[in-house]
Amino acid sequence: RKEVEQDPGPFNVPEGATVAFNCTYSNSASQSFFWYRQDCRKEPKLLMSVYSSGNEDGRFTAQLNRASQYISLLIRDSKLSDSATYLCVVNIGYTDKLIFGTGTRLQVFP
Amino acid sequence: NAGVTQTPKFRILKIGQSMTLQCAQDMNHNYMYWYRQDPGMGLKLIYYSVGAGITDKGEVPNGYNVSRSTTEDFPLRLELAAPSQTSVYFCASSYRDTYNEQFFGPGTRLTVL
Repeated sequence: RKEVEQDPGPFNVPEGATVAFNCTYSNSASQSFFWYRQDCRKEPKLLMSVYSSGNEDGRFTAQLNRASQYISLLIRDSKLSDSATYLCVVNIGYTDKLIFGTGTRLQVFP
Repeated sequence: NAGVTQTPKFRILKIGQSMTLQCAQDMNHNYMYWYRQDPGMGLKLIYYSVGAGITDKGEVPNGYNVSRSTTEDFPLRLELAAPSQTSVYFCASSYRDTYNEQFFGPGTRLTVL
């Protein structure tokens, strides 16, 4: 099993739609969870951290399910500008090292 | 603040050549990282540093070397370039450990022919 797994997509959704991505991780000791956004041929940028209780930032909601070892990202009211690749990032067990998923590509169309 | 800067942006190397990818940050971050990203793949950690004078191997260190003589700079050295090192290289920094956001540079696109 890969340490971090994501559906590569692409997810093609119309503007205004709600879309959700999941990401599974293999190490039950992992403590740090993030969603990064990467635009085509650009560097990754932090979208949001994922907290145990779940957290929301505007149209974006992140959730953590420790029992099933996955995190999720929900995007409401999708905008054209949301088109990007979303990277799931998890630390390796008790270490300082992060594992980046291969990303889920989102394409929002008019 | 310039954030994390990387030079060069693009480079073509011949097999067997060497080069140094430069990375600098002006945020006074302790932690710095080098990743490579191959098409359709996740970022792979090459080396990282938790402070000046301290470096450690990541997931894919073979064929690379690093040094960290100052807090600001973290150069990555490629010795004897091989086609397998064709990739996009990202440098990143964070204030402390993995609980903190990593800030990435714009990347260096390297092709080895």
